[in-house]
Amino acid sequence: GAGVSQTPSNKVTEKGKYVELRCDPISGHTALYWYRQSLGQGPEFLIYFQGTGAADDSGLPNDRFFAVRPEGSVSTLKIQRTERGDSAVYLCASSPYDGSYEQYFGPGTRLTVT
Amino acid sequence: QKEVEQDPGPLSVPEGAIVSLNCTYSNSAFQYFMWYRQYSRKGPELLMYTYSSGNKEDGRFTAQVDKSSKYISLFIRDSQPSDSATYLCAMSAEGFKTIFGAGTRLFVKA
Repeated sequence: GAGVSQTPSNKVTEKGKYVELRCDPISGHTALYWYRQSLGQGPEFLIYFQGTGAADDSGLPNDRFFAVRPEGSVSTLKIQRTERGDSAVYLCASSPYDGSYEQYFGPGTRLTVT
Repeated sequence: QKEVEQDPGPLSVPEGAIVSLNCTYSNSAFQYFMWYRQYSRKGPELLMYTYSSGNKEDGRFTAQVDKSSKYISLFIRDSQPSDSATYLCAMSAEGFKTIFGAGTRLFVKA
């Protein structure tokens, strides 16, 4: 079946602009994660959704970052007033049920802030 | 100090060699231990999972966890050029918030 998909695959934006990154999880998966991966580093946890609610958003770096999952499926990561330091690959993963160790990752969105 | 430490490599080995990849960690609450493989410009792919201490084998891959030493390992037997990738260790206390190591880049030469 279809895996996790993320759009766009690449996004270039100017400093100060607003961006939205979309994640379509595997159908039926209830848990969804967002991570950020910088060059040469492992994925850094941002936020975890159980269904529609954010169960743990402790990894969001500041209030410029926000994520939603209104219907318990598709999720959008929103970044306001982008900064050059936000440049990274943003990864989304989904799990078949809450608390599962199995995370299935999408290919990521490569964000470049100029 | 990072919660999870992993040597970034690169590690270069000849085809057929046994590869040993390792991570150390500081949080004694970690119970779930995973290894992911990541090819260039792709998302990580789950390879192995171990709960608590012990060994687990799957084909050419063996994962070991020593909670008393806060040390985990992944062994790859009969390594192949297709195994060339970045290997990420990952850990979790509750099964959801997951902390990743920085990844070790592995090159297997034909």
